[in-house]
Amino acid sequence: EDQVTQSPEALRLQEGESSSLNCSYTVSGLRGLFWYRQDPGKGPEFLFTLYSAGEEKEKERLKATLTKKESFLHITAPKPEDSATYLCAVRGNRDDKIIFGKGTRLHILP
Amino acid sequence: DGGITQSPKYLFRKEGQNVTLSCEQNLNHDAMYWYRQDPGQGLRLIYYSQIVNDFQKGDIAEGYSVSREKKESFPLTVTSAQKNPTAFYLCASRGQGLQNYGYTFGSGTRLTVV
Repeated sequence: EDQVTQSPEALRLQEGESSSLNCSYTVSGLRGLFWYRQDPGKGPEFLFTLYSAGEEKEKERLKATLTKKESFLHITAPKPEDSATYLCAVRGNRDDKIIFGKGTRLHILP
Repeated sequence: DGGITQSPKYLFRKEGQNVTLSCEQNLNHDAMYWYRQDPGQGLRLIYYSQIVNDFQKGDIAEGYSVSREKKESFPLTVTSAQKNPTAFYLCASRGQGLQNYGYTFGSGTRLTVV
């Protein structure tokens, strides 16, 4: 069964303190790993898609990396506006569904 | 601008009532999805549709129904058979092609039973 586990559940950082969020996955034939940002009371906002091990993508202070078993979302010198819940999801070759993890709640203190 | 519109933003349901949540997209996407989000549980798939006039049950379809009469629209009805409907409901769509495996989400509807 396809599965996504995100850690930690919650993370509090000082402004400028870099860190990483983890997404471990089990999937039959990875067809894409996705990172989303979700603000309270809003729908998830697409950040990145990674397709194969070794791939990396960057956007402002965020960088996503992928191995055969996990993905990391690295946050460099975060600002308070980076506070949100970050969701990881995977799509396998079994069907059309995308499986989501429970997310990591990130809080950046000024 | 293309996107997904969900309405209403907030919805209150009395016991025993059916309510319908609207989802409209102008992205020309074939596939559409309904998710339910509860605190600490992540997103759970209710129903999805890959083409007009066809849809499949997701992981938690009991107490819900959908229709897909138009490509642009995928309404979700929460029936009185759904015993715990209070949640945040998210609609999403996906385009075709190798580079379109990600979803575009709407802004959500928060449903509360009163």
